[in-house]
Amino acid sequence: DQQVKQNSPSLSVQEGRISILNCDYTNSMFDYFLWYKKYPAEGPTFLISISSIKDKNEDGRFTVFLNKSAKHLSLHIVPSQPGDSAVYFCAASAGANSKLTFGKGITLSVRP
Amino acid sequence: DTAVSQTPKYLVTQMGNDKSIKCEQNLGHDTMYWYKQDSKKFLKIMFSYNNKELIINETVPNRFSPKSPDKAHLNLHINSLELGDSAVYFCASSQADRVETQYFGPGTRLLVL
Repeated sequence: DQQVKQNSPSLSVQEGRISILNCDYTNSMFDYFLWYKKYPAEGPTFLISISSIKDKNEDGRFTVFLNKSAKHLSLHIVPSQPGDSAVYFCAASAGANSKLTFGKGITLSVRP
Repeated sequence: DTAVSQTPKYLVTQMGNDKSIKCEQNLGHDTMYWYKQDSKKFLKIMFSYNNKELIINETVPNRFSPKSPDKAHLNLHINSLELGDSAVYFCASSQADRVETQYFGPGTRLLVL
């Protein structure tokens, strides 16, 4: 029962271009969404988050968009850099201080 | 001075054995977690402890027993290992009121033969 879905396993983009990573969810109780980034042989690290009361949150080159009616969020990275090459996990939680439910991740490759 | 550390990083063992994975955090957090990332790459929570008390226990076989001697440590003991236990196990920690921002260890790669 995948409540958080990242249907594309991988994405390859050219350096300097925009990377768009998508995530869908099924649980309407989710009200907080996060993106984590993971390099090989390391644990995931928190990247950016968004509350359901917002539809956009921006932090430098990273912007997360939330479409509640579509139960869809996306992470935009612009401009993409080779150092952004990693696995990106989408995660969600229902209520304050509740557990995180993760997607299975998408591997981003940024070509120099 | 790693924030969340796990030992060992790699663990290869035979079916039926008992093994432990240790986790320590030096961030002063009061909540710690164990996650399992299986072959399908999903990262699923197994347990969560707050100030040494179990607060989340997902549907995990009884062969898995977490132990928290203090709030900086959360160890995972696995009895009678099975092939399906092969996975990467991640420890994480957070403040109780900042569950959304978790700090992960590097993972322990367990292979059961």
